[in-house]
Amino acid sequence: EDQVTQSPEALRLQEGESSSLNCSYTVSGLRGLFWYRQDPGKGPEFLFTLYSAGEEKEKERLKATLTKKESFLHITAPKPEDSATYLCAGRAHSGNTPLVFGKGTRLSVIA
Amino acid sequence: DAGVTQSPTHLIKTRGQQVTLRCSPKSGHDTVSWYQQALGQGPQFIFQYYEEEERQRGNFPDRFSGHQFPNYSSELNVNALLLGDSALYLCASSSWGDTQYFGPGTRLTVL
Repeated sequence: EDQVTQSPEALRLQEGESSSLNCSYTVSGLRGLFWYRQDPGKGPEFLFTLYSAGEEKEKERLKATLTKKESFLHITAPKPEDSATYLCAGRAHSGNTPLVFGKGTRLSVIA
Repeated sequence: DAGVTQSPTHLIKTRGQQVTLRCSPKSGHDTVSWYQQALGQGPQFIFQYYEEEERQRGNFPDRFSGHQFPNYSSELNVNALLLGDSALYLCASSSWGDTQYFGPGTRLTVL
């Protein structure tokens, strides 16, 4: 069964304190690893798609990386506005197979 | 360019009732996927529509049904509501096989 596991469940950082979120996956024939940001009561906002091991993508203070078994979302010098739940999702095989989501990491950045 | 829109924003129903949720995809997208997100959990795939047909379905009972219209908009219907159906219902649109973009969601409360 395809599965995505995120850790930690919750993370509390001081403003400027860099850290990483982990996403491990067992998805058959992975055809995309996706990161989304979700604010409370809102829909997920797309951040990144990674397709192959070794791939990296950056956006402002966020950088996503992918290995054959896991993905990391690195947050450099976070600000309070980065506080949100970060969701990781995998897509199996090809075509338009549905996303398999982890439970998310709830990030709080304290000023 | 309008993103994915959903209506209504919030809905309160009682057990046994029926509900219809609506979704308009992002311009240029032809595929609509529906997800259910319980509090503190990641989104769970319900089903996906493409060319007005249900293409894939997750592990949800037949009480959950849907429809896609010629303009690509979609409806999610849930019959015989249970307390456990209370959740945030998310619609995601995409071009076939491409990144999914989510709407703001509909918060359904079943009393």
